[in-house]
Amino acid sequence: AQSVTQPDIHITVSEGASLELRCNYSYGATPYLFWYVQSPGQGLQLLLKYFSGDTLVQGIKGFEAEFKRSQSSFNLRKPSVHWSDAAEYFCALKKTSYDKVIFGPGTSLSVIP
Amino acid sequence: DAGVIQSPRHEVTEMGQEVTLRCKPISGHNSLFWYRQTMMRGLELLIYFNNNVPIDDSGMPEDRFSAKMPNASFSTLKIQPSEPRDSAVYFCASSLPSGVYTEAFFGQGTRLTVV
Repeated sequence: AQSVTQPDIHITVSEGASLELRCNYSYGATPYLFWYVQSPGQGLQLLLKYFSGDTLVQGIKGFEAEFKRSQSSFNLRKPSVHWSDAAEYFCALKKTSYDKVIFGPGTSLSVIP
Repeated sequence: DAGVIQSPRHEVTEMGQEVTLRCKPISGHNSLFWYRQTMMRGLELLIYFNNNVPIDDSGMPEDRFSAKMPNASFSTLKIQPSEPRDSAVYFCASSLPSGVYTEAFFGQGTRLTVV
């Protein structure tokens, strides 16, 4: 069965520092991949998605993610973190466009001034 | 578009009572998902519908949980009877079933507290 893992439960970075959140998936083919962000008390907002093509995808709020088939990874990056980026980040996948979305456990990001 | 609309935003109920959560998906979206979020278990998919038909309800925890989608613009998740361990945030999400825009759009969630 397909699954999504996010090895880091919690990450703390300084404001202005770079950020990389890790995501690994288990699936025999190339899935649809997503990164969502959840601010406290809010629903989930899509940051970016990968379906095919260019393996480096750009998203909102200055985020990008790179799909690496050989590593079954889809890591999220941001060159300079802002205090407002503190939130919970979820990596997710779908096997096909008709399938359900499966979420990883999430990574909680704290940003220190 | 107003996005996915869930009601109520907060619900506090006593153990044993029936609870009904409501969701209005984005107009034109054919797929609808119910998720439950807890600290212990994270985001769990409970059930999802395509074209108003339940496709996968394997995540529904017990017979106390039921979900319906009588038409394309409305869905309910019912818990009867409710128990304290049902306390969680319940999210509804919708998406187009195919094509480029297949990500799920989430509502704000319903925070359920069963006392």
